[in-house]
Amino acid sequence: GAGVSQSPSNKVTEKGKDVELRCDPISGHTALYWYRQRLGQGLEFLIYFQGNSAPDKSGLPSDRFSAERTGESVSTLTIQRTQQEDSAVYLCASRPPASVWLAGAPGELFFGEGSRLTVL
Amino acid sequence: AQKITQTQPGMFVQEKEAVTLDCTYDTSDPSYGLFWYKQPSSGEMIFLIYQGSYDQQNATEGRYSLNFQKARKSANLVISASQLGDSAMYFCAMREVDSNSGYALNFGKGTSLLVTP
Repeated sequence: GAGVSQSPSNKVTEKGKDVELRCDPISGHTALYWYRQRLGQGLEFLIYFQGNSAPDKSGLPSDRFSAERTGESVSTLTIQRTQQEDSAVYLCASRPPASVWLAGAPGELFFGEGSRLTVL
Repeated sequence: AQKITQTQPGMFVQEKEAVTLDCTYDTSDPSYGLFWYKQPSSGEMIFLIYQGSYDQQNATEGRYSLNFQKARKSANLVISASQLGDSAMYFCAMREVDSNSGYALNFGKGTSLLVTP
């Protein structure tokens, strides 16, 4: 489809293992965001990529979290030495360049369906 | 500091009735945008409606309208003629210009809406 694609949709892992989550944004979208949503909670901003600029990582909760993006395409969020508190849905969103923002919703984010991570 | 506040963790409404979901926000930026998203149990985030800080009129989109009171910094979502399929989590979000996060949206904690027959 033409939407934001995330994989895996579900991941169960053991405490201490590393996990990698993938996001494939909508083609042509220059900005990409990662959010974390703990059970019953709102969305917590993690990191943002804009074009080829270096991302600001200050929203990442610990140095166990890292993210990369190749140009304006796929991004991966890596969590090393997972802990039980990392259990959450990790949502990726992309956004087109400002020059093509929709008049009715400038800055709208287009979300994937998320990757549900369970750390046992 | 909390920028988006949704004070209603859960709401009930009867089918065909109208319901208002509250949202207040905090910003010193004169240019900002307010969004409402719906998140059904399946988990996807569905954009509903947008209000810009300079918009003179309240936004409307089908059965959704936004009661924007700028001086009070509130942006309540009104759903008219509720349907069973409206049962979901509803999130209010604000777009600001932030040097670290670009135009990231700051989300509230959400309101869970249950529509009853």
